[in-house]
Amino acid sequence: DVKVTQSSRYLVKRTGEKVFLECVQDMDHENMFWYRQDPGLGLRLIYFSYDVKMKEKGDIPEGYSVSREKKERFSLILESASTNQTSMYLCASTSFSYEQYFGPGTRLTVT
Amino acid sequence: AQSVTQLDSQVPVFEEAPVELRCNYSSSVSVYLFWYVQYPNQGLQLLLKYLSGSTLVESINGFEAEFNKSQTSFHLRKPSVHISDTAEYFCAVRSPQGGKLIFGQGTELSVKP
Repeated sequence: DVKVTQSSRYLVKRTGEKVFLECVQDMDHENMFWYRQDPGLGLRLIYFSYDVKMKEKGDIPEGYSVSREKKERFSLILESASTNQTSMYLCASTSFSYEQYFGPGTRLTVT
Repeated sequence: AQSVTQLDSQVPVFEEAPVELRCNYSSSVSVYLFWYVQYPNQGLQLLLKYLSGSTLVESINGFEAEFNKSQTSFHLRKPSVHISDTAEYFCAVRSPQGGKLIFGQGTELSVKP
């Protein structure tokens, strides 16, 4: 069974903290994605990666960075969390069938 | 640039009534279209997809969507909804650039008894 897992379902951090969100897929997919989901805005792409050590900016990369050291793992980093980064974060991976498989999401609150 | 517009942010409907969730896209190239569903406190799950071939695609739980190239639409329909269909539904188009999906804003379907 296809599986994308995210390290936390809920996370509360303080302004200025460094935050790591981890995503792991077990499907040997090349492509992985990080989105944030906000009410009324749908899903917006933050970063994506085509292969190990490769990354591309999405539509809203400001304030975020990513790391992909292994094929199965794609990490999203908030260098200095701010309250406007309070959101639901969704990780996904994709195969050549074009379908994206999503993790359960991490609801991050920055206070 | 490609874009997706979901015309209704919220759709309330009574159980066993028919429903249509509207989706329009803009694209100058061949499209691959998707509908995803998100149940409360869960990630997104693929509901159905159009890649090529028959313009009418169906899901296992009774939803169907029709690709209409002339109207650039991919509306989602179900003839009779259940309480368990209450969820948020997202329409998406695949970008030619390496697997990226462009999502609409989402439609909250609320099925009432």
